[in-house]
Amino acid sequence: DAGVIQSPRHEVTEMGQEVTLRCKPISGHDYLFWYRQTMMRGLELLIYFNNNVPIDDSGMPEDRFSAKMPNASFSTLKIQPSEPRDSAVYFCASSWASGAVDTQYFGPGTRLTVL
Amino acid sequence: AQTVTQSQPEMSVQEAETVTLSCTYDTSESDYYLFWYKQPPSRQMILVIRQEAYKQQNATENRFSVNFQKAAKSFSLKISDSQLGDAAMYFCAYRSAVGGSRLTFGEGTQLTVNP
Repeated sequence: DAGVIQSPRHEVTEMGQEVTLRCKPISGHDYLFWYRQTMMRGLELLIYFNNNVPIDDSGMPEDRFSAKMPNASFSTLKIQPSEPRDSAVYFCASSWASGAVDTQYFGPGTRLTVL
Repeated sequence: AQTVTQSQPEMSVQEAETVTLSCTYDTSESDYYLFWYKQPPSRQMILVIRQEAYKQQNATENRFSVNFQKAAKSFSLKISDSQLGDAAMYFCAYRSAVGGSRLTFGEGTQLTVNP
């Protein structure tokens, strides 16, 4: 089985540009999470979806960030306009809530650098 | 809100020796799950081991085992017969069994394995 797929793996952009990060969860998983990792703040949850519906977006830093999940196999995280402080590694993770322990499986991450 | 604390920013171990990484957490909940994730230089977040709070028996996965002390809210990871490939950042994580699947991570412990 393919794991969680993220693209691009690396993104370098200039301040003010729009950035779109993409994620394909593991087939059959009904939860999808977006995390951000920085040296200062560690790993923090930005938003998560259940059955394509956003459940908790309280971690989204500001209106410049938006996330969508148009179907069960695809999600995007968009930053517009991007700022240097958005530089981080962004992880997507997915899980299947079967009633037992649902383990989150992570993608390889996207390293974003905003100049 | 739940918090997870890893008090050892860095640890080192000799190859073939045993090392224990510490993790404490704070919660008012009685039912929850605990995880250890490994992040090697590739940045991939890899599940190492998980523990259900309602289980008294400590989880084990090959050379990895935990010491779960629910009353003390402690969840340490023991790595036996350390290998060079175990070198990575290790994150302890908490997830409530109720109300969603958010993972709360500790700050991480960087493990170095010396040949």
